[in-house]
Amino acid sequence: ETGVTQTPRHLVMGMTNKKSLKCEQHLGHNAMYWYKQSAKKPLELMFVYNFKEQTENNSVPSRFSPECPNSSHLFLHLHTLQPEDSALYLCASSQASAGSSYNEQFFGPGTRLTVL
Amino acid sequence: KQEVTQIPAALSVPEGENLVLNCSFTDSAIYNLQWFRQDPGKGLTSLLLIQSSQREQTSGRLNASLDKSSGRSTLYIAASQPGDSATYLCAVRQDNFNKFYFGSGTKLNVKP
Repeated sequence: ETGVTQTPRHLVMGMTNKKSLKCEQHLGHNAMYWYKQSAKKPLELMFVYNFKEQTENNSVPSRFSPECPNSSHLFLHLHTLQPEDSALYLCASSQASAGSSYNEQFFGPGTRLTVL
Repeated sequence: KQEVTQIPAALSVPEGENLVLNCSFTDSAIYNLQWFRQDPGKGLTSLLLIQSSQREQTSGRLNASLDKSSGRSTLYIAASQPGDSATYLCAVRQDNFNKFYFGSGTKLNVKP
């Protein structure tokens, strides 16, 4: 596997279910991100992890719970979601060198989530 | 808060045309700006990244420019092809903690 992978690619869940999205990067990066992409809205940054530490939570509801066990893996745990949470969830990674202007982001293919 | 705007929202051109996509941002204190393309239902593919100290970057038929002081970037696509049809997004990195802000994108359709 190369680049950034995400599983599952598609997920349908009820409002009472608990599920998890998984992201893995094979690029040796140390920063990872979760984004939400809804129809006709800009990409919304949800969470940022640098060196496994969460550095950004963009006022995301607590029904979304991220986990970053190491620099290569990122999870998004989902519980008690609402239909308006249906969207494409994208994971990305980059280097996290402080003060560096480079930090090119690489994205995974996304998980298409439908909440019934 | 940083706001990123992309104009036009959609563009349809005949094959072979040269075209320019625009991206503007409200806070010029950026670290870098990145252009992506996104095919329907897919993730984002990085096209070009311009560091804050640079004026432009080129890759094949693509050329991206950055005018940080005026808060603008342009993506120039030469000799457009139907395979260029996609949504093009720009993103700026705002601060030291890897916070990125995206525009809403320009949906490009290149007609054969």
